[in-house]
This record gives sequence, structure tokens and C-alpha cells, in this order.
Amino acid sequence: DAGVTQSPTHLIKTRGQQVTLRCSPKSGHDTVSWYQQALGQGPQFIFQYYEEEERQRGNFPDRFSGHQFPNYSSELNVNALLLGDSALYLCASSTQGDYNSPLHFGNGTRLTVT
Amino acid sequence: DAKTTQPPSMDCAEGRAANLPCNHSTISGNEYVYWYRQIHSQGPQYIIHGLKNNETNEMASLIITEDRKSSTLILPHATLRDTAVYYCIVRVLPPIYNQGGKLIFGQGTELSVKP
Repeated sequence: DAGVTQSPTHLIKTRGQQVTLRCSPKSGHDTVSWYQQALGQGPQFIFQYYEEEERQRGNFPDRFSGHQFPNYSSELNVNALLLGDSALYLCASSTQGDYNSPLHFGNGTRLTVT
Repeated sequence: DAKTTQPPSMDCAEGRAANLPCNHSTISGNEYVYWYRQIHSQGPQYIIHGLKNNETNEMASLIITEDRKSSTLILPHATLRDTAVYYCIVRVLPPIYNQGGKLIFGQGTELSVKP
């Protein structure tokens, strides 16, 4: 049973460009959350998608947007990249409403903005 | 803001028990305490979680105080492979059911297991 898979594993972009990161949730999960982890910091919550809608959002600008597809997979889009967007981007999946079950994380996409 | 406080670092001798403390004094009655660990910038790995009662699984034990304001993660026989950053997290419930349930991470505890 495949866990959470993310692609690509590494990415290098230039300031001002746009990037799309992809996530496939663990089988049986219907909710996808995205987190940003800067070097040496704990992951920061970006937003969560359920039933193809954004359900919760952290303190991130509108340059960060997402999408969830009918098969529950998700994309994270970041526009007008800044140097400060360099980070590990983590995707986590879960079952909505089941707070007694853990989120499962992928191994992330390492984004470097130059 | 994180709802938990952890020591930034701890050392443990290989084969000994590692006891990692966590304070969560503002936890609400229906919020769970979750523990994850992260090795070498891989994704966080789930360890254990609990609400009120102590919990044990194949990886660790979780001891939650009766007032629920603090907890301790116990790795009974630490190995070198347990060297990682350990995060104690309160799972924040959404204001509306089925509208979230995010994890708010703090800085975690960097555990070093030494031979």
C-alpha cells in the first residue's frame, strides 16, 4: 500500500517564476494538507483541501494556491517566487473528521529559488 | 502559534530509555497530543498519539498527566537510528466540523543517541 507520494523530489527555480508541486495521498485518505519547512524550522501549515475545496489556510500570501482533484490528489502552486520561498514542501494526507487518526506525510519536495 | 513547549535538545545513551517531555498547558479538552519525528529532512514520521489515557505501541509509550497539561514520550531502548528531531503537537480542531484539523508544529527536540 503506497503511502503519500510527492513529485518532484527536488526543484530549482529563479526568482519571479512559478512552480507546481504534486501530491498523491495515502490510499483511503480524502484530505490533503500542505506544509512549508524552512531550514532548521518546524513545518508551517499552508492550507488544507477536502472535497476539492480549500478548508483551512495558514498565514501565507495569495501567491500560494492549491487544487484538489476528484481522485484526491493535490497540487500546490506558488507564483512570483521569492528567495524566501526556498524550503522543503511537505504534503500530508488524512481522513476528514477523523481526528483520532494520524496525518501521513510524504518525503517532500525541496525547492531552491535562486 | 505552537501550543507546545519542548527542550531544544537532549542526549541519550544507546540502549537506555529516552524520555522526551512536552508542555501543552493550553490544550483543550477534545484536542489530541501527537508525536512525530523527522530524520535528515525526510517527511515527519508518526510515532504515537493520545487524548487522556497513556498509550503504547511498538515504537514508544506516551504518558499524559491527569490535568493534560504535559506529556512524556518514552523510547524504551534507544538506538542510534532514533537520532532525530521529535515534535510534540496538539492537533487543533477546526471551528466547524469537517473544515480542517491542522497540526501546528513547534521547534521540536533534537534527540542525539550516543554509543
